[in-house]
Amino acid sequence: AQKVTQAQTEISVVEKEDVTLDCVYETRDTTYYLFWYKQPPSGELVFLIRRNSFDEQNEISGRYSWNFQKSTSSFNFTITASQVVDSAVYFCALSELKNTPLVFGKGTRLSVIA
Amino acid sequence: DSGVTQTPKHLITATGQRVTLRCSPRSGDLSVYWYQQSLDQGLQFLIQYYNGEERAKGNILERFSAQQFPDLHSELNLSSLELGDSALYFCASSPPPAPHEQYFGPGTRLTVT
Repeated sequence: AQKVTQAQTEISVVEKEDVTLDCVYETRDTTYYLFWYKQPPSGELVFLIRRNSFDEQNEISGRYSWNFQKSTSSFNFTITASQVVDSAVYFCALSELKNTPLVFGKGTRLSVIA
Repeated sequence: DSGVTQTPKHLITATGQRVTLRCSPRSGDLSVYWYQQSLDQGLQFLIQYYNGEERAKGNILERFSAQQFPDLHSELNLSSLELGDSALYFCASSPPPAPHEQYFGPGTRLTVT
């Protein structure tokens, strides 16, 4: 069965600090997809990144970076030089090749304080 | 803006009532997914349609049903509503041939009183 664990329920940082959000997943499939979504206070779910299980290259997009490690079944998300606008709930999610609905973690609430 | 639209944005109704939530996917997307977000259960998958046919079912109650119409819009029907059905209901769509990339609508916040 699929499972996504985000052990950090809430994180609070001061603006300009770096912060890493942890995500650990479980799946029996060899082909799967991992995602991060952002849910700001307005409530919508914003797609940030998709990574497939065959691509372990880390990715950087501006202040955001993602570290995918199959050996530890982790897909962590780092925000560099955090800003108040980064305050949101961040969800990690998983889908499998033949089972496309997303399985979400419980989310991590990030508060960035000015 | 993801391109997925959902109406209404807010809905307040009483226990025992029935409501219909509507979703229009992004242009060209054939798959529609419905998810429920509640405080105690988190984000949970309810049901998926692909080009008018049911493709996958998650933790959807028997009181809930959905369909996808020929123009690809989808409706989620919730009946015999209970207080515990109060939640944010999201619709997402995905393009072929990338069913795993899902774009979410703004959600419908349902409050059952």
